[in-house]
Amino acid sequence: EIVMTQSPATLSVSPGERATLSCRASQSVSSNLAWYQQKPGQAPRLLIYGASTRATGIPARFSGSGSGTEFTLTISSLQSEDFAVYYCQQYNNWPPLFTFGPGTKVDIK
Amino acid sequence: EVQLVQSGAEVKKPGESLRISCKGSGYSFTSYWISWVRQMPGKGLEWMGRIDPSDSYTNYSPSFQGHVTISADKSISTAYLQWSSLKASDTAMYYCARHDGRVPRFDPWGQGTLVTVSS
Repeated sequence: EIVMTQSPATLSVSPGERATLSCRASQSVSSNLAWYQQKPGQAPRLLIYGASTRATGIPARFSGSGSGTEFTLTISSLQSEDFAVYYCQQYNNWPPLFTFGPGTKVDIK
Repeated sequence: EVQLVQSGAEVKKPGESLRISCKGSGYSFTSYWISWVRQMPGKGLEWMGRIDPSDSYTNYSPSFQGHVTISADKSISTAYLQWSSLKASDTAMYYCARHDGRVPRFDPWGQGTLVTVSS
């Protein structure tokens, strides 16, 4: 079973600064990786799929990169509405599982 | 507009049974899978399992296999998550989400159903 890790657990950033979040898989997941944003009291929202494709309506300041076991979500200039928890997710063919990482909380510095 | 609307919050006692629902609209319900995701209070997201509404084929995370049952009624575009005997540890928010087969692209998500199990 593939295990997902995310770092750091918490990232303190000032508005306008760049944020870089990491996600690592215990074995290759190719580009079968997505990123989600979750704000308090809300359902998660899809940001990135296929490791680097922005979902519909997602601002260009969000970008994803990586393949295999190492992935990065970058927020180029943090806005107030971007302070949230971010999760990565992978799909593994066998056993057929979708696995989420533990999340990175981005809070205000 | 593609939407998943979940049933309302539930308060149950340990040992009781429960079924919560997730109704899809704005798309062909049988063309996409539905997954269920648990979020315990203050914790992260856990994938529980999924169903293909076209044939009701399911598979589950090992962590949830045998503890919950996922089903669907395609005639009313609704997926279900059910428990036969709830435990206090089942207290959590439960989300459904639509996705295109094996692609990790869960979109949209339902609004969530809060299940509280307490004596």
